[in-house]
Amino acid sequence: GAVVSQHPSWVICKSGTSVKIECRSLDFQATTMFWYRQFPKQSLMLMATSNEGSKATYEQGVEKDKFLINHASLTLSTLTVTSAHPEDSSFYICSAREAESTEAFFGQGTRLTVV
Amino acid sequence: LAKTTQPISMDSYEGQEVNITCSHNNIATNDYITWYQQFPSQGPRFIIQGYKTKVTNEVASLFIPADRKSSTLSLPRVSLSDTAVYYCLVGDKGIFGNEKLTFGTGTRLTIIP
Repeated sequence: GAVVSQHPSWVICKSGTSVKIECRSLDFQATTMFWYRQFPKQSLMLMATSNEGSKATYEQGVEKDKFLINHASLTLSTLTVTSAHPEDSSFYICSAREAESTEAFFGQGTRLTVV
Repeated sequence: LAKTTQPISMDSYEGQEVNITCSHNNIATNDYITWYQQFPSQGPRFIIQGYKTKVTNEVASLFIPADRKSSTLSLPRVSLSDTAVYYCLVGDKGIFGNEKLTFGTGTRLTIIP
């Protein structure tokens, strides 16, 4: 299957700082990318959907000014957690899909710990 | 978006065939059915996708009845490494390919030695 690379795999940051997570599609053009967060023992919760070159569509309850998503190219999307707080600690996962494909592929996830 | 219902958990012994059924009563005409596998602290991994009847690949089979209101993921001769959470998703890529992917609760499969 197609490869989606997410970086970093884990990050620890201080409260109040910002963290950027990258999601890259390595062998296909990702016209749509999805960002999820997942708490222990829970399912993936969709945060936002982004299309290349346009603004992301955020799910209800997700603060767009806190979770900045940029999808500037067909192979790269970034999620920036601004002014991170301990309650933002979670597992963040991205997914990417090609325009004419019904299949979506996931990155390996990023474990964010805010101390 | 079609809502899916799966068993919360299942146990099975090594070497057995495991069938996980997902209900999706309000599936739309253009919707596909996709199954993912997730291990702890990893992103979901695509297993199989189908639209109707039966689909088989090197790791699993997917059975979809004619009314498409349910689907069954079949894992042949499971091993301990198949212990994971399995998610059933129903949806279409959408006109612009941007229809969102929403996860249900998933089924936590535990393989017993």
